[in-house]
Amino acid sequence: QQQVKQSPQSLIVQKGGISIINCAYENTAFDYFPWYQQFPGKGPALLIAIRPDVSEKKEGRFTISFNKSAKQFSLHIMDSQPGDSATYFCAASSGAGSYQLTFGKGTKLSVIP
Amino acid sequence: DAGVIQSPRHEVTEMGQEVTLRCKPISGHDYLFWYRQTMMRGLELLIYFNNNVPIDDSGMPEDRFSAKMPNASFSTLKIQPSEPRDSAVYFCASLREWSTDTQYFGPGTRLTVL
Repeated sequence: QQQVKQSPQSLIVQKGGISIINCAYENTAFDYFPWYQQFPGKGPALLIAIRPDVSEKKEGRFTISFNKSAKQFSLHIMDSQPGDSATYFCAASSGAGSYQLTFGKGTKLSVIP
Repeated sequence: DAGVIQSPRHEVTEMGQEVTLRCKPISGHDYLFWYRQTMMRGLELLIYFNNNVPIDDSGMPEDRFSAKMPNASFSTLKIQPSEPRDSAVYFCASLREWSTDTQYFGPGTRLTVL
């Protein structure tokens, strides 16, 4: 049973637009929610992460919004650039750390000029 | 640091052959993870080690898969015998300490079993 559901599978956004990727989880024990960015031929790399004690975290153009009651979190990429074109994975883990991550299926983002 | 190093980057083999994937974690990292990535199933955790000891291997799909970590700087994932459905990208990741850090992934090994 998939524990982290990610949508959409693919996303096309124009340069300068806002990219939004959503994830929903089922396990209420999850308490760490990272987003990973993966370029073709590379391994996933941590982009930004949030813990449920805050509802939003912003780092540059990237923002995570977290809704604990709905068990949902999302990634917003403001002023999307062609260089942001990659596959994005949400993930979740329980316990105090980031080990044993459960990943979403990924969203392939294409930012067109 | 050079990051997590994996070899080979690409491997093509025939069904029934033994395949060994290698990983060198970041120096000083206590945890090492092996993942498999496919289009159908996404990223799946196969096994992870803490201080060279396997902690959870519940994600290892079958007895054909085995992993070892003989020392802090080297781990192997072996498939014997390999099957076409094992074709995937295999990632190794390492973690300094589980409560405060994040996993750093290697570049992966793309395995094709004909």
